Amino acid sequence: DQQVKQNSPSLSVQEGRISILNCDYTNSMFDYFLWYKKYPAEGPTFLISISSIKDKNEDGRFTVFLNKSAKHLSLHIVPSQPGDSAVYFCAASPSGGSNYKLTFGKGTLLTVNP
Amino acid sequence: KAGVTQTPRYLIKTRGQQVTLSCSPISGHRSVSWYQQTPGQGLQFLFEYFSETQRNKGNFPGRFSGRQFSNSRSEMNVSTLELGDSALYLCASSLGWGADTEAFFGQGTRLTVV
Repeated sequence: DQQVKQNSPSLSVQEGRISILNCDYTNSMFDYFLWYKKYPAEGPTFLISISSIKDKNEDGRFTVFLNKSAKHLSLHIVPSQPGDSAVYFCAASPSGGSNYKLTFGKGTLLTVNP
Repeated sequence: KAGVTQTPRYLIKTRGQQVTLSCSPISGHRSVSWYQQTPGQGLQFLFEYFSETQRNKGNFPGRFSGRQFSNSRSEMNVSTLELGDSALYLCASSLGWGADTEAFFGQGTRLTVV
């Protein structure tokens, strides 16, 4: 049972345009959501996060939107750059230390074409 | 400041053998989590340690075990290796174990079981 789903295994966009990566979750206990970027042969690196008390969080070119009622979040990258080409993982966690663990989606491979 | 260090980077073992992977967290970090990444399943949580105690465990068989030492370094052990254990094993460290503490990942250990 996949609790965090990234339904698009890959996405290709042109440099300068917007990249939108989507993520859906099923567990109502999830309260904290993160996006990680992963280059080949490297571990995932943290990109941006959002807690359930917010519906938007922005950091430079990266914005994460959360729709709790739809159990959906998305990552917007504007403008997209070739260096953004990587696998993007959506992750979710319930709040509270005793249940801390990250549940990851299977990832979306983003390719930004020059 | 040094990042999360995982050793070895690559490992080839035969079925039935056992293997031990090592993770040195970022200095000062007390929480270490382990994840398995495979192409079909994405990133899956194995277990989390904080102050030498296992706090959470994922849905993996008992062949997968781990421990954490007083200096926060962690090891995971897989006994009676199976072909399906071939994966990238990632370790992540964080300051605490709350859901909102950022996890920093190592580069991983690529295990191949033949």
